[in-house]
Amino acid sequence: AQSVTQPDIHITVSEGASLELRCNYSYGATPYLFWYVQSPGQGLQLLLKYFSGDTLVQGIKGFEAEFKRSQSSFNLRKPSVHWSDAAEYFCAVGAPNDYKLSFGAGTTVTVRA
Amino acid sequence: ETGVTQSPTHLIKTRGQQVTLRCSSQSGHNTVSWYQQALGQGPQFIFQYYREEENGRGNFPPRFSGLQFPNYSSELNVNALELDDSALYLCASSFPGNQETQYFGPGTRLLVL
Repeated sequence: AQSVTQPDIHITVSEGASLELRCNYSYGATPYLFWYVQSPGQGLQLLLKYFSGDTLVQGIKGFEAEFKRSQSSFNLRKPSVHWSDAAEYFCAVGAPNDYKLSFGAGTTVTVRA
Repeated sequence: ETGVTQSPTHLIKTRGQQVTLRCSSQSGHNTVSWYQQALGQGPQFIFQYYREEENGRGNFPPRFSGLQFPNYSSELNVNALELDDSALYLCASSFPGNQETQYFGPGTRLLVL
């Protein structure tokens, strides 16, 4: 069974600074990997996904993530954070022909002026 | 193209009661999944429906049940509510041939007293 660990519960970053959120997964084969963002009181919005191919994937809102098989990681990055990026971020793993997504516990991002 | 919608947005029930939550899938999507998100946690997979049949189930008891209708809308029913059922319930839908990518609705927040 697949699982996800997000080591950072809470990150505070200054507006304009870079952001990196860590995600480690456990799965026996090549996983399907996703990052979602959840604003307070809202549902989940898909930021980006990785299925195969180029290990650096671009998403919406200026986010990117890099798949590193050797480290079982799929870290999310943004070069310059905006105040509107304050939210909770979830990494999720899926598998071919298994449509269940397994989510990490999430990382809360606070942006200070 | 309409997104995934859910109703109601909020609900308060008493322990032992029954509740029905509703989801309208994004146009063209034929697969719907339900997740439970307890406060401070990541979403947990409840079950998935494809072409009106249950296509997979997570670690939830039988008092959690669902339906998918010919128009691909869906219901989540929970019987004999317990205090621990208090959570945000998220519905997600997927395109045919791309079921691994799930698009989430805003959720229904259920409080059981």
